[in-house]
Amino acid sequence: RKEVEQDPGPFNVPEGATVAFNCTYSNSASQSFFWYRQDCRKEPKLLMSVYSSGNEDGRFTAQLNRASQYISLLIRDSKLSDSATYLCVVPHQAGTALIFGKGTTLSVSS
Amino acid sequence: NAGVTQTPKFQVLKTGQSMTLQCAQDMNHEYMSWYRQDPGMGLRLIHYSVGAGITDQGEVPNGYNVSRSTTEDFPLRLLSAAPSQTSVYFCASSGKGQVYNEQFFGPGTRLTVL
Repeated sequence: RKEVEQDPGPFNVPEGATVAFNCTYSNSASQSFFWYRQDCRKEPKLLMSVYSSGNEDGRFTAQLNRASQYISLLIRDSKLSDSATYLCVVPHQAGTALIFGKGTTLSVSS
Repeated sequence: NAGVTQTPKFQVLKTGQSMTLQCAQDMNHEYMSWYRQDPGMGLRLIHYSVGAGITDQGEVPNGYNVSRSTTEDFPLRLLSAAPSQTSVYFCASSGKGQVYNEQFFGPGTRLTVL
């Protein structure tokens, strides 16, 4: 089993829609998790950190289920500017580096 | 602060050539790492460093060497380039001490090996 696995996508949704991405991880010792956003093969940028049951930031909610080793990202009221690739990430070696999922592509249309 | 800088932005090599991808950060971060990104593959960890003089291998280290002589710089060397090393390379850095520290990425180097 790969360390991080994500929904393959792509997700194509209209503006205003709610969309959820799922991610599973294999290392039960992982303490923290991240969602990064990447635009058009530019550098990834941190969207949210998750190190308890969940985290909310405006339209974005990340949830963690340690028993199932499952992380989700919910985007409400999707905007055109949300179109990007969303990367599920876990720490490597206590935070010295990162292990990435393959990413899920979101396309929001008007 | 310039953050994390990478040079060059683009590079074309012939098979067998060697080159060094440069990475520098001005945030006094202890941790630095190199990733490659291929279409549909996400980012994969090549090598990483927890401080000057200390490096270790990541998921895909073969064909690459690194060194960390200063806190600021973490160059990645391709000793004999192969077409399979055609990719986008990202360097990242983060501060020490907390597992949820944000990693800051450079803009990437787009490498083509012919």
